[in-house]
Amino acid sequence: DADVTQTPRNRITKTGKRIMLECSQTKGHDRMYWYRQDPGLGLRLIYYSFDVKDINKGEISDGYSVSRQAQAKFSLSLESAIPNQTALYFCATSSGEGYGYTFGSGTRLTVV
Amino acid sequence: RKEVEQDPGPFNVPEGATVAFNCTYSNSASQSFFWYRQDCRKEPKLLMSVYSSGNEDGRFTAQLNRASQYISLLIRDSKLSDSATYLCVVNPNAGGTSYGKLTFGQGTILTVHP
Repeated sequence: DADVTQTPRNRITKTGKRIMLECSQTKGHDRMYWYRQDPGLGLRLIYYSFDVKDINKGEISDGYSVSRQAQAKFSLSLESAIPNQTALYFCATSSGEGYGYTFGSGTRLTVV
Repeated sequence: RKEVEQDPGPFNVPEGATVAFNCTYSNSASQSFFWYRQDCRKEPKLLMSVYSSGNEDGRFTAQLNRASQYISLLIRDSKLSDSATYLCVVNPNAGGTSYGKLTFGQGTILTVHP
């Protein structure tokens, strides 16, 4: 099994629908992150969490919310999806300050 | 000025060539540096960390120049399988709003052809 698992891998949804992207990890890391990637814009941070009781907004949190259900689980929700949220979404984990991230395989989301 | 800047390329090189990428960062207090590799439509994967003394892993050599605030990646004897996007990644570690978050460059595209 992958260290960081994202579901679903691909999703097409309609404008206005609520959608949840899920992430789980088996690395035992406290830190988890959600990024989106768009062509020409690189990776942009949406939300991050340093432990179960800690949630922080990233640079582009508007229109998104998150839930840290357990150390191993961090889900991202789009409350009312819009077409410009079409992107590749990555979850990542880290063991601490100064360490690199381990990424999940991504969720390709299309909002029509 | 962007926090992390890379030449987006693309770099097109023949097999066996040596290619180098540079990356500059704006925060002089940055503490940790990495190179990631990303294949098309896949997740970024850690290629190597970058240490102050420079480090080498097979055909790959990473260098850090703190005075000039740049990082480099050298790939020797390029293989077709090296074709990917290479991301320069910096941990600003400057406290406050930068604490605990890595900053990613937009990536440099490399294509190695036969």
